[in-house]
Amino acid sequence: EVQLVESGGGLVQPGGSLRLSCAASGFTFRNYWMSWVRQAPGKGLEWVANIKQDESEKYYVDSVKGRFTISRDNAKNSLYLQMNSLRAEDTAVFYCARIGPGTRSFDIWGQGTMVTVSS
Amino acid sequence: DVVMTQSPLSLPVTLGQPASISCRSSQSLVHSDGNTYLNWFQQRPGQSPRRLIYKVSNRDSGVPDRFSGSGSGTDFTLKISRVEAEDVGVYYCMQGTQWPTWTFGQGTKVEIK
Repeated sequence: EVQLVESGGGLVQPGGSLRLSCAASGFTFRNYWMSWVRQAPGKGLEWVANIKQDESEKYYVDSVKGRFTISRDNAKNSLYLQMNSLRAEDTAVFYCARIGPGTRSFDIWGQGTMVTVSS
Repeated sequence: DVVMTQSPLSLPVTLGQPASISCRSSQSLVHSDGNTYLNWFQQRPGQSPRRLIYKVSNRDSGVPDRFSGSGSGTDFTLKISRVEAEDVGVYYCMQGTQWPTWTFGQGTKVEIK
């Protein structure tokens, strides 16, 4: 079964850091672009970051540039999101998502992990 | 960035009746490769999003054929031919044409009357 399982969310103070992880299974992880997408409480979906198969290309939404870093470990079938200088407006459920080949969109989603930034 | 605008934002429907959601983009979604990267996602209450449609009209595996997508350029539509109880949720359009800043619509909440 194709599956993405996120972990690492929690409560963090403004200005703090958190590292999210996403474990992939059921498919050849190294062959796919991967993404992070977030959803603030009661709000819509927002694309956050993309990463190419070999990490040679990484892209971010403007609001997280310079604060968030997407990375991956193909040997461990894992995707990561290092989040620094967190703000209250970063509070959201963060989803790991696979980019379907040739579709430029997300064909597989994880269950999400909640990040709360509050003092 | 490409702005995606959905309407309506709330859609009360009667079971067994059709439903239609509109999505408009602030610029053409036709890519230089000839494809139009317009997608539709469904998010049921308490669940993760699920892709229904990619490249305007291609249904994902396992998606019932009562769901269909159409449109071109800047105007797109998701139609449900006969709404069932399991279709309740929020539907989002998303453009993947403008790389790499992909954007979603605000979402349309479908509920049963």
